[in-house]
Amino acid sequence: DAKTTQPNSMESNEEEPVHLPCNHSTISGTDYIHWYRQLPSQGPEYVIHGLTSNVNNRMASLAIAEDRKSSTLILHRATLRDAAVYYCILREETSGSRLTFGEGTQLTVNP
Amino acid sequence: DTAVSQTPKYLVTQMGNDKSIKCEQNLGHDTMYWYKQDSKKFLKIMFSYNNKELIINETVPNRFSPKSPDKAHLNLHINSLELGDSAVYFCASSQDGGGPRGYTFGSGTRLTVV
Repeated sequence: DAKTTQPNSMESNEEEPVHLPCNHSTISGTDYIHWYRQLPSQGPEYVIHGLTSNVNNRMASLAIAEDRKSSTLILHRATLRDAAVYYCILREETSGSRLTFGEGTQLTVNP
Repeated sequence: DTAVSQTPKYLVTQMGNDKSIKCEQNLGHDTMYWYKQDSKKFLKIMFSYNNKELIINETVPNRFSPKSPDKAHLNLHINSLELGDSAVYFCASSQDGGGPRGYTFGSGTRLTVV
């Protein structure tokens, strides 16, 4: 599995936008970029995923660099409930492909 | 309705015992997984079943045996429990290939071996 690199931790203030970076310089053409988050004492939760184009959903936006070697998860207005570990994961959309978690970024949201 | 449900939520047991964790999903997904999250918070895949067939079997001791009676259920049986088995075990499901919503995880089973 291609590797991703994320900062260990980030801080944000409530109601401000948060940009969570992820580097994946060895990404292959068939790898999708997935983001999951894990709130305290809960299972991981799907956030968003994309291949080449930027993606938006009700939870977040995903901005993908033109060369696909990096991406940024954008939370438009952080709330205290967004405090979690955020995982950036590369995954081939093929049968039997697995989701391999790294260490993720611990996001702290200050009131 | 809970999409992926695991039971029990907490399990405390003595070394050497045999225990099972059950998982059920009502999403109609065809692939189910077991993940282990240790004390350092690393999430590692253990097993994956697609339509009741084992497709991923990571380097896991033989004491761990998954069983999938149908594609909505994936149970994990652990024999001769050891202290190092203490962890949170997560069940997950997905439609083959990921699908638009990716994986859906259960809320976890915290296993403590004493």
